[in-house]
Amino acid sequence: KAGVTQTPRYLIKTRGQQVTLSCSPISGHRSVSWYQQTPGQGLQFLFEYFSETQRNKGNFPGRFSGRQFSNSRSEMNVSTLELGDSALYLCASSLGLTDTYEQYFGPGTRLTVT
Amino acid sequence: AQSVAQPEDQVNVAEGNPLTVKCTYSVSGNPYLFWYVQYPNRGLQFLLKYITGDNLVKGSYGFEAEFNKSQTSFHLKKPSALVSDSALYFCAVRDPRNSGNTPLVFGKGTRLSVIA
Repeated sequence: KAGVTQTPRYLIKTRGQQVTLSCSPISGHRSVSWYQQTPGQGLQFLFEYFSETQRNKGNFPGRFSGRQFSNSRSEMNVSTLELGDSALYLCASSLGLTDTYEQYFGPGTRLTVT
Repeated sequence: AQSVAQPEDQVNVAEGNPLTVKCTYSVSGNPYLFWYVQYPNRGLQFLLKYITGDNLVKGSYGFEAEFNKSQTSFHLKKPSALVSDSALYFCAVRDPRNSGNTPLVFGKGTRLSVIA
């Protein structure tokens, strides 16, 4: 069974631009979560989706948005990019709600904002 | 609010020696607890979890963790460390009583270095 895939793997953007990151969960998984990982802040929660509904949202500005499609694939969008948005963005899927189910992580998208 | 702490940024251990990576949590009720590992340039991989039942949980790659409610801890252990265990380890917690409003919370991570 294929793992979680994220595209693109690497991205370089200019400050002020916007970006869309994509995540394809493991087949059959209905929950998708997004995290931002930086050396200074560690792993910060962005969003959690289950069956196309946003279940939880982290403490990020409104420039960060996401959605989940009927096939469980998910996208996140960051508008008006800032230098501080440079990070590894990780997507994780789980069979059910992340309360008790373990998450399976993708390799991440490395975003660099210049 | 739920929180998790990994008090050590770095743990060094000699190959063949036992290893412990510490994790303490703060949750109002009985927590759901997880350990994940991240190898360089990779996403996180699930190691083990405690949901309910036996306090000693066994996971992947010979790792285990013990849930200690009185000390609010969930330390990760392995009897004999391997060089290949060198990685970044994350503890995570969720409050099942408020799971609809709060996400899984991760610790800052502990970098384990196993020296040959």
